[in-house]
Amino acid sequence: DQQVKQNSPSLSVQEGRISILNCDYTNSMFDYFLWYKKYPAEGPTFLISISSIKDKNEDGRFTVFLNKSAKHLSLHIVPSQPGDSAVYFCAATDSSDSNYQLIWGAGTKLIIKP
Amino acid sequence: DAGVIQSPRHEVTEMGQEVTLRCKPISGHDYLFWYRQTMMRGLELLIYFNNNVPIDDSGMPEDRFSAKMPNASFSTLKIQPSEPRDSAVYFCASSLRRDSSSYNEQFFGPGTRLTVL
Repeated sequence: DQQVKQNSPSLSVQEGRISILNCDYTNSMFDYFLWYKKYPAEGPTFLISISSIKDKNEDGRFTVFLNKSAKHLSLHIVPSQPGDSAVYFCAATDSSDSNYQLIWGAGTKLIIKP
Repeated sequence: DAGVIQSPRHEVTEMGQEVTLRCKPISGHDYLFWYRQTMMRGLELLIYFNNNVPIDDSGMPEDRFSAKMPNASFSTLKIQPSEPRDSAVYFCASSLRRDSSSYNEQFFGPGTRLTVL
């Protein structure tokens, strides 16, 4: 049972345009969501997060939007740059759960074309 | 801080051999996680520790896998005997839980790429 789904295995975007990565979840108890970025031969690195009390969080070129009613979140990158080419993972957690772990999506490979 | 340190970065071994992967978390972090990444299954949580105590090992695939955390600065993941299907990238991550009502990001090591022939 996949509680966190990233339905697009890959996404190709022109440099300078907007990249939109999507993530859906099924567990209504999730109240904290994170995006990680992973380059080949490296570990994932934290990018941005959002709490369920918000519907938007912005950090520079990166913005995460949360739609709780649809159980959907998205990561927007504007403008996209070649260095953004990586695999992006969405992760979620129930922060009240004593089981302190993240539930991960399968990842989306973002390719920024020059 | 140097971040999470994992060794070795690459390991090639033959089926049936014992493999030990090592991890040094970020100093002061109280949670340590072991993950496995494969093409088929993505990023899987194997086991995690809180203050050196294993909390959830339900992701450990078989009894051939074991993990220990003898102190706050060191953990091992052991596979004995290893099999070709264990070939994957194994990540260690650590985190500091600042309070019980929030979640704090995990910091990952560079991973160990394991190949079992």
